Amino acid sequence: AQSVTQLDSQVPVFEEAPVELRCNYSSSVSVYLFWYVQYPNQGLQLLLKYLSGSTLVKGINGFEAEFNKSQTSFHLRKPSVHISDTAEYFCAVSVFFGNEKLTFGTGTRLTIIP
Amino acid sequence: DAMVIQNPRYQVTQFGKPVTLSCSQTLNHNVMYWYQQKSSQAPKLLFHYYDKDFNNEADTPDNFQSRRPNTSFCFLDIRSPGLGDAAMYLCATSREAQGAYEQYFGPGTRLTVT
Repeated sequence: AQSVTQLDSQVPVFEEAPVELRCNYSSSVSVYLFWYVQYPNQGLQLLLKYLSGSTLVKGINGFEAEFNKSQTSFHLRKPSVHISDTAEYFCAVSVFFGNEKLTFGTGTRLTIIP
Repeated sequence: DAMVIQNPRYQVTQFGKPVTLSCSQTLNHNVMYWYQQKSSQAPKLLFHYYDKDFNNEADTPDNFQSRRPNTSFCFLDIRSPGLGDAAMYLCATSREAQGAYEQYFGPGTRLTVT
């Protein structure tokens, strides 16, 4: 079985500062990796995904993430955050081929300080 | 735009009074999911349909049932809601692409139990 760890439950960041949200996973087989964002009282929206190929993945809203197989990590980064980035961020994993279910991390609440 | 629609967005029901939440999709995805999300927690998968095949999670209470009359629609029935069932209920859809199942979420229905 696979698991996802988001080490930081809350991350406060000043506006226009860079941010990194950490995600580590555990799996005995190869995985696909996803980052989702959830704004208050809304559903989850896909930010970016790693399926194969380049380990640096660019997503929407200026976010990017890097897949590091040796460290089993998929950290999310943004060079300059805005107030509108205040939200809950979830890292998720699914196993290679044939498993339609996601395993979610516990989430990181990103708060942007004006 | 293709999307996942959930109705109603807010639902209030009384303790023990059956309630049905609905989900529809225009994405023509063959997999549909129902999640329960409580405050400041990750979404918890209740069950999902792969085509017509129903897949129940082992820890989903019997109080929760689901119906999928066709590809586009899926319903969540809570037979006797308790106070602990108050939560956001998220519907999601997916289909296989490049071996992975990227999930698309609806806006959610917030259920209040009085």
